[in-house]
Amino acid sequence: SQTIHQWPATLVQPVGSPLSLECTVEGTSNPNLYWYRQAAGRGLQLLFYSVGIGQISSEVPQNLSASRPQDRQFILSSKKLLLSDSGFYLCAWRAYGYTFGSGTRLTVV
Amino acid sequence: AQSVTQPDIHITVSEGASLELRCNYSYGATPYLFWYVQSPGQGLQLLLKYFSGDTLVQGIKGFEAEFKRSQSSFNLRKPSVHWSDAAEYFCAVGPNTGNQFYFGTGTSLTVIP
Repeated sequence: SQTIHQWPATLVQPVGSPLSLECTVEGTSNPNLYWYRQAAGRGLQLLFYSVGIGQISSEVPQNLSASRPQDRQFILSSKKLLLSDSGFYLCAWRAYGYTFGSGTRLTVV
Repeated sequence: AQSVTQPDIHITVSEGASLELRCNYSYGATPYLFWYVQSPGQGLQLLLKYFSGDTLVQGIKGFEAEFKRSQSSFNLRKPSVHWSDAAEYFCAVGPNTGNQFYFGTGTSLTVIP
C-alpha cells in the first residue's frame, strides 16, 4: 500500500532562519507530489507540485522553494523565514484525489 | 472562476444527532468531488469521492454525500454522529487529470455529549 511520510511534525524557527521540510512516499513510483499550506482559519493553498525528478511548478510566488531530488522525495525549503510563513504544511501524493501526510506545524517567531 | 464554498464555519451537534455539512462549488468542467476530514494536528484523510455514476456515494466512518448537479452541491451527511467525529471537514473539487484542486475553507464540527 502507498504511504506518505512527512517530518518533522512540529517546528519552531526564528525569523530569518532557514527551513527544510521533507516528504517521502512509499509504495508507488513516479508519483505526482504536492506541498500545501494551511494558514490559521483559512483553507488549503497549493504551493508547489512536481510530476517528476527535478520538475517543480510553483503556484504562488513566495519566500519558499521546493525540490525533488529523488523520485519519492519532495523537499520544501526557505533560505530566510518570515513571520508570514507560519502555518500547517501538508505534503500530498495524488491518485484520484490526494493522500496527505500528517503535516508539519511551523511557527516562525 | 473555480471555487468551493463551505458556508458553515463551525457546527455543533449533539452525539447521536444527524449531521449535514454543506458544500457548493463552481467548476467549469465535469467536477470530481471529495470530502476530507482533519483531526487536530493531523493531515487530511479522504472520506469519500464522487467521479460519476450514482449521485449518492458512501464513504468511511458511516459518512455519505450526495451530488446534486442542478444545485452545484455535494453535501456530506451522517445519520448519527459520534464524539470521535469532532474534526474539521474539507470539501474539494478537481479535475480527473491536472494538478489544481480547489478546497473549501473547512467546517469545524463540535460534538457535545
